Amino acid sequence: AQSVTQLDSHVSVSEGTPVLLRCNYSSSYSPSLFWYVQHPNKGLQLLLKYTSAATLVKGINGFEAEFKKSETSFHLTKPSAHMSDAAEYFCVVSSGGYNKLIFGAGTRLAVHP
Amino acid sequence: DVKVTQSSRYLVKRTGEKVFLECVQDMDHENMFWYRQDPGLGLRLIYFSYDVKMKEKGDIPEGYSVSREKKERFSLILESASTNQTSMYLCASSSPQRPGELFFGEGSRLTVL
Repeated sequence: AQSVTQLDSHVSVSEGTPVLLRCNYSSSYSPSLFWYVQHPNKGLQLLLKYTSAATLVKGINGFEAEFKKSETSFHLTKPSAHMSDAAEYFCVVSSGGYNKLIFGAGTRLAVHP
Repeated sequence: DVKVTQSSRYLVKRTGEKVFLECVQDMDHENMFWYRQDPGLGLRLIYFSYDVKMKEKGDIPEGYSVSREKKERFSLILESASTNQTSMYLCASSSPQRPGELFFGEGSRLTVL
């Protein structure tokens, strides 16, 4: 069975400092992995996806994530946080059929001036 | 600009009432989804549809039904609302050619009193 664990429910950073949002997954076969972002009072938007091509995946707004099979991780990073990055972030694993996505519980990112 | 539109952003209903949540997408997507979002639980799939009049149960279908009479429209129905159905409901659509890439509406926040 597939599952996904986001290791931090809240992360707080200062503007201009690096962002690290951690995600571990469990999958019985080669997974597809995604990060989605949800700004306040908005729907979710796809940030990036991994589908067994390059292990380092670049997304929108300067975010990237690295697939590490040995660590079963797919952490999201950004070199320099911006105030507009304050949002909730969801790590997602596909459950075999792509119609069945498994969402993590979410990590709320706060960015302070 | 591609869009998934949910008919109501905020609803307040009484226990036992019938509730309709409607969703329309303008991207000609075959797949449409209804999720429920609760704090600390991420998103959980209620139902999805891969074609007109076709539907499959997700992880938490109890107490819900759906209708898809036209490709662009997917409705979620609560036959008899209960207080434990107070939640944020998110509609999404996707193309089978781009699996896992969901486009979300802004959500419908339902309160059942």
